[in-house]
Amino acid sequence: GAVVSQHPSWVICKSGTSVKIECRSLDFQATTMFWYRQFPKQSLMLMATSNEGSKATYEQGVEKDKFLINHASLTLSTLTVTSAHPEDSSFYICSASQGGRETQYFGPGTRLLVL
Amino acid sequence: AQSVTQLDSHVSVSEGTPVLLRCNYSSSYSPSLFWYVQHPNKGLQLLLKYTSAATLVKGINGFEAEFKKSETSFHLTKPSAHMSDAAEYFCVVSENFGNEKLTFGTGTRLTIIP
Repeated sequence: GAVVSQHPSWVICKSGTSVKIECRSLDFQATTMFWYRQFPKQSLMLMATSNEGSKATYEQGVEKDKFLINHASLTLSTLTVTSAHPEDSSFYICSASQGGRETQYFGPGTRLLVL
Repeated sequence: AQSVTQLDSHVSVSEGTPVLLRCNYSSSYSPSLFWYVQHPNKGLQLLLKYTSAATLVKGINGFEAEFKKSETSFHLTKPSAHMSDAAEYFCVVSENFGNEKLTFGTGTRLTIIP
């Protein structure tokens, strides 16, 4: 149980285009989903927290107009990187929980390369 | 504010010998503490978590960790390392104060020597 999937697993795009990453909780309802970013050989940094049906809460320094997050259902959240640039290249990881103090379960990550 | 310090960026042990990965935390409130493992090109997997119950926490794959409030530590141990334990390990803290925000340590890369 508690499986989280991400799609795509990796994506290459041209600079200036937008990329959408999906995060799904496969066997539980995720009240809250989180998006993290991980640079090579570094730790995970929380980008934003989203509750189903509400606007996402972004961490300081994260541009909300660049990283659009939608959490329209209890099993799906999407992260759209708008007008991507090479510096946006990174490993993006989502996690999902049933809210409160429940454990977060992580997806396998999406590797984004912007050329 | 909460923070986590993983004292070693890289640990190497021989197969069959004990593993010790060190973690110290800082938290203003009663924390929850976690250890996650990340194998290459795979997602993070929860090894174990402490949430104010027993201070010695047993996790999967023979790992365990002990919460020591007086030392603000949550070190991860395993009696006998296996080749499959080679991975990146993250110590994580959450303050349990109405939010689930996790703060990750910088990670410890565990290498197993055959």
